Amino acid sequence: DVKVTQSSRYLVKRTGEKVFLECVQDMDHENMFWYRQDPGLGLRLIYFSYDVKMKEKGDIPEGYSVSREKKERFSLILESASTNQTSMYLCASRGGRRGPSNQPQHFGDGTRLSIL
Amino acid sequence: GNSVTQMEGPVTLSEEAFLTINCTYTATGYPSLFWYVQYPGEGLQLLLKATKADDKGSNKGFEATYRKETTSFHLEKGSVQVSDSAVYFCALLTGGFKTIFGAGTRLFVKA
Repeated sequence: DVKVTQSSRYLVKRTGEKVFLECVQDMDHENMFWYRQDPGLGLRLIYFSYDVKMKEKGDIPEGYSVSREKKERFSLILESASTNQTSMYLCASRGGRRGPSNQPQHFGDGTRLSIL
Repeated sequence: GNSVTQMEGPVTLSEEAFLTINCTYTATGYPSLFWYVQYPGEGLQLLLKATKADDKGSNKGFEATYRKETTSFHLEKGSVQVSDSAVYFCALLTGGFKTIFGAGTRLFVKA
């Protein structure tokens, strides 16, 4: 069965810290995504990657960066954490090459991040 | 641009009631349509999908039909259970990478 694993379910960090959220998928998927989920705002795409070492900005990339050194792993980095980055972070992966696709996304269980 | 609009929640039903959650979309081309479900404390998981007009997706008693003429993909279930309490997301995917999600509809089912 498909598996997307996020390294932490809950994380508490301090303002100004550099924070790493890790995501690993075991499906050999080309595409990986990072979202944040906030009440009343739904899912918002932060960054995505369609291949190793490739990345593209989503809708809200400010304050974040990503790294994809291996196909199975996609890391989200908060360069200098701020309180407005307190949120639920969801990682997802999807098969299929760039272009028309009907493949669904597979999600991890999320990381609830609190910045104090 | 592409967008998904789904009914606001929360929706509260008694067990065995009929469920409808409305979803309409705006998209260029011929999108694939999805319903995802998020149970408390978990990520989203695919509930069902439809990839072309008039397709019906179904899973776990839930159904949705891809209606191109009304640009809709309403989710239905004939008899809900307490275990169906969750947040439901309608979504579309056109050519490219980005899946467009609706805002989500929270469903509460009372015993």
